[in-house]
Amino acid sequence: NAGVTQTPKFRILKIGQSMTLQCTQDMNHNYMYWYRQDPGMGLKLIYYSVGAGITDKGEVPNGYNVSRSTTEDFPLRLELAAPSQTSVYFCASSYLVSDTGELFFGEGSRLTVL
Amino acid sequence: GQQLNQSPQSMFIQEGEDVSMNCTSSSIFNTWLWYKQDPGEGPVLLIALYKAGELTSNGRLTAQFGITRKDSFLNISASIPSDVGIYFCAGQSRSGGSNYKLTFGKGTLLTVNP
Repeated sequence: NAGVTQTPKFRILKIGQSMTLQCTQDMNHNYMYWYRQDPGMGLKLIYYSVGAGITDKGEVPNGYNVSRSTTEDFPLRLELAAPSQTSVYFCASSYLVSDTGELFFGEGSRLTVL
Repeated sequence: GQQLNQSPQSMFIQEGEDVSMNCTSSSIFNTWLWYKQDPGEGPVLLIALYKAGELTSNGRLTAQFGITRKDSFLNISASIPSDVGIYFCAGQSRSGGSNYKLTFGKGTLLTVNP
């Protein structure tokens, strides 16, 4: 049982380049999320989705885009990479009725923008 | 938005010692959760608390949901080297349709010296 799978695990980008972080889950969860983690700053929500075809902004959406064409996949796109987007990115998913608050996280994608 | 104050930011302890960390908020939460992040991994749920005053244990871990619903603490007894990691508190509010989002604290970095 793979859970939440993120690719790539590491990536170095030049300023202005674009890339997509991939996320897929095999638990049939409706809710999916993208967080970024900066040292000493905890987890900040970038975008989330409550189901296929539905996405919404979190706390820090600027510079990112998402799509949710299937239940399983929730890619995060950076259009014009900036040094401020250097961070570790985590994808997570949860059940439709998320009253438990339990998010299942991927292993993270470490992105460096130079 | 909602903010959580988590303390301490870091702790360096000897194996066998007990550990205590806490989170406070200016807002009321319906659910308090504690996650642990091992180095190089995504966070994993340790304990979830659903009622004010609730005290819950999971092995050597004990957590409490504050009566005011604005705070929570986590205790770890008889620490061992594998307790090393970052511990995050998270609060979930079910008001205003936000029941699928968590607010995370900034984390407590725990180092255990064997």
